[in-house]
Amino acid sequence: AQTVTQSQPEMSVQEAETVTLSCTYDTSESDYYLFWYKQPPSRQMILVIRQEAYKQQNATENRFSVNFQKAAKSFSLKISDSQLGDAAMYFCAYRSFHSGGGADGLTFGKGTHLIIQP
Amino acid sequence: DGGITQSPKYLFRKEGQNVTLSCEQNLNHDAMYWYRQDPGQGLRLIYYSQIVNDFQKGDIAEGYSVSREKKESFPLTVTSAQKNPTAFYLCASSDQLAGGIETQYFGPGTRLLVL
Repeated sequence: AQTVTQSQPEMSVQEAETVTLSCTYDTSESDYYLFWYKQPPSRQMILVIRQEAYKQQNATENRFSVNFQKAAKSFSLKISDSQLGDAAMYFCAYRSFHSGGGADGLTFGKGTHLIIQP
Repeated sequence: DGGITQSPKYLFRKEGQNVTLSCEQNLNHDAMYWYRQDPGQGLRLIYYSQIVNDFQKGDIAEGYSVSREKKESFPLTVTSAQKNPTAFYLCASSDQLAGGIETQYFGPGTRLLVL
């Protein structure tokens, strides 16, 4: 079974600064997907970014980017120019790859609480 | 507007009572999921369904049941066999595409409390 570990229960950053959230995972699979979700106080889960394991290029979405190190099984999230609206819980998630399509659940880490200091 | 709706927002359960949480989506997604979130924890998979009239157990299915009679609906019943049902429940849906490239989108959640 796959496991996802987020070793930072809480992180704090000054507004406009850059912060990196860590995520490691354990799997015996070679193909899979990784995700970062954001959960603000409203508790709505919002997709931030995703990465296909077969792609070497790191995914980016505006101020959000990842550092994907497949050999190290590491998938960190970098948030540049932090804004007050970025304050939330951030969850790293893993999903197996299915070549023929098909659904599968996500395996989540326990989350990192990100605080933005004004 | 396309999206996923969950109702009610808050639900109270008495001891020995079964309660049903509603999840509806109008995204025309094939797959639907139920997750449970406890304080300080990530989400854990309860059940999922790839197509109508078919569903599979997730990691923590004991004490829960589901049905998938319509593509847009995937209700979750928390039975009296679930001894610790107090949690936040999230429903999600996704497209199934060849190659497995799909992203799950979540509803706003239901908070279940035991009286």
